[in-house]
Amino acid sequence: QKEVEQNSGPLSVPEGAIASLNCTYSDRGSQSFFWYRQYSGKSPELIMFIYSNGDKEDGRFTAQLNKASQYVSLLIRDSQPSDSATYLCAVNMDNYGQNFVFGPGTRLSVLP
Amino acid sequence: ETGVTQTPRHLVMGMTNKKSLKCEQHLGHNAMYWYKQSAKKPLELMFVYSLEERVENNSVPSRFSPECPNSSHLFLHLHTLQPEDSALYLCASSQGHRGSEQFFGPGTRLTVL
Repeated sequence: QKEVEQNSGPLSVPEGAIASLNCTYSDRGSQSFFWYRQYSGKSPELIMFIYSNGDKEDGRFTAQLNKASQYVSLLIRDSQPSDSATYLCAVNMDNYGQNFVFGPGTRLSVLP
Repeated sequence: ETGVTQTPRHLVMGMTNKKSLKCEQHLGHNAMYWYKQSAKKPLELMFVYSLEERVENNSVPSRFSPECPNSSHLFLHLHTLQPEDSALYLCASSQGHRGSEQFFGPGTRLTVL
């Protein structure tokens, strides 16, 4: 069974703090990794993707990938109340669309 | 229109009805997907089409029937659904189905009475 795991939360952080969201995956051969943000009642919106070990930064967001540990994370710097949403980790486990597996999501709440 | 659109946005149907969900992508992508999102459950991939060719997903009940007439349009035909099929149905598209990021439509909120 190919799985992607996330803490369901809620993760609460004060405004201006760093929010750290974590994701682990079961298939060591996974090739590409994605973070989506989903506001309540809305569809998922792509934030970042990462293919290589290390860090990838885009504005206030940093994705971190460690394939040896089968671990991917998303850091949100200077968190804002508008960042409050559910964050979905998705893993493409063997470079085929039919093995694009989503985690259950972590609900983030940024407190003003 | 831009991105991925879905109609209708909301649908209420009885268990004996037949209805169809429509998805259209305006991104020039060649792969399209149907997902089901139920409360407190991860997104479930239902069907994948790449270059209008369907990738089988044997875990989806036959009361759900997809159709992809061309690379821009995707349908999900529904018949004799059950109340547990009530969920948000999301369409997505990507350029190629091998590791590419997927872009989602707004979804159809389906309620089966």
